[in-house]
Amino acid sequence: NAGVTQTPKFQVLKTGQSMTLQCAQDMNHEYMSWYRQDPGMGLRLIHYSVGAGITDQGEVPNGYNVSRSTTEDFPLRLLSAAPSQTSVYFCASRRRLAGGGVGRTDTQYFGPGTRLTVL
Amino acid sequence: TQLLEQSPQFLSIQEGENLTVYCNSSSVFSSLQWYRQEPGEGPVLLVTVVTGGEVKKLKRLTFQFGDARKDSSLHITAAQPGDTGLYLCAGARGNFNKFYFGSGTKLNVKP
Repeated sequence: NAGVTQTPKFQVLKTGQSMTLQCAQDMNHEYMSWYRQDPGMGLRLIHYSVGAGITDQGEVPNGYNVSRSTTEDFPLRLLSAAPSQTSVYFCASRRRLAGGGVGRTDTQYFGPGTRLTVL
Repeated sequence: TQLLEQSPQFLSIQEGENLTVYCNSSSVFSSLQWYRQEPGEGPVLLVTVVTGGEVKKLKRLTFQFGDARKDSSLHITAAQPGDTGLYLCAGARGNFNKFYFGSGTKLNVKP
């Protein structure tokens, strides 16, 4: 049971380049999300998904795309990287209770992060 | 502007001292979580509080949710160097699909 895995661990891009940050979980969690962490800002939600085929925007979605074709994977795409997207990116997952509700005490598991630098 | 404000931002104390970290908001939250994060790693959940006035203890850590569910505190008794890390609070609103994080408190416990 690997939990939540993210690749790559480090990435340097030039402005305008595109890339995909990978996230996978093996806990059969319905809910997955992407956050970015900047100094002094805590974590901010970019996009989230409550199940395969369902995604929605978080606090800071501009410049990022997501899709969820399987329960296990939730990739984050940067179509045209900008220096403002330099950050540490974390993927997280948790289970979703039957009936659609999300348990208030469900544990959210985070991946180890991807450190992205855009020059 | 952050929905959740944490204070202090930085805290450096000696081993054995007590400390309290605060997480405040003008908004009401359905639940509030506290995480601890070490350098180069993702946050790890410490506790979730869901009821106004709720108090939870985890060994030397005591967590409290405000009566109005707008604020929370984390108290550490007799801090140890192993408590060093970044402490983050996160609140959920509405249907729990979105969590809003505070900016964090960086704690350094010196031996």
